[in-house]
Amino acid sequence: DTGVSQDPRHKITKRGQNVTFRCDPISEHNRLYWYRQTLGQGPEFLTYFQNEAQLEKSRLLSDRFSAERPKGSFSTLEIQRTEQGDSAMYLCASSLWTSSPYEQYFGPGTRLTVT
Amino acid sequence: QKEVEQNSGPLSVPEGAIASLNCTYSDRVSQSFFWYRQYSGKSPELIMSIYSNGDKEDGRFTAQLNKASQYVSLLIRDSQPSDSATYLCAVFWLGAQKLVFGQGTRLTINP
Repeated sequence: DTGVSQDPRHKITKRGQNVTFRCDPISEHNRLYWYRQTLGQGPEFLTYFQNEAQLEKSRLLSDRFSAERPKGSFSTLEIQRTEQGDSAMYLCASSLWTSSPYEQYFGPGTRLTVT
Repeated sequence: QKEVEQNSGPLSVPEGAIASLNCTYSDRVSQSFFWYRQYSGKSPELIMSIYSNGDKEDGRFTAQLNKASQYVSLLIRDSQPSDSATYLCAVFWLGAQKLVFGQGTRLTINP
């Protein structure tokens, strides 16, 4: 257990529905990252926050995806109008940007299945 | 060309032998390199980080970095069945401030 938690762990939804995932990072960590991983591939970067500011977004993050970190603590990732291609593991990671700044610790992930 | 490349395997190694995992990367300004272990159905677990050329040892694991050749490797000594997992190489890309992962190498340790 790295101290990063994600909720829910599994989500099954029908195509066209909206889903929201939550990530709670390690408490003192100021950077929070979202990744997506499909079977047989490494995680792909989606976006990251430093405190409450969203500093980078991947072009993988279409306008159906939105992420927030309102108070610089937990973060949410919302997918609107889900498509079958959104089925994947959604991973959250956090890091402390003042020491070992590049080391990221992952949560258990949220596995999304779109039917 | 992929930014981070690994042999996807599977790599099969007998118990007690040395497992050698390799990774090449294309971004010349990368400074930080990582190995993650991922068991089936689980999330990646950080096992090694390396920032400068040479070797870094931690228990049965040794990471090796050669920036001139843009090459990172992970050696696992005295391999155990519990080491059977997918090993992900990751490079921190300074430009976009993100980790870029290889596709992972699936390692199987045979008792």
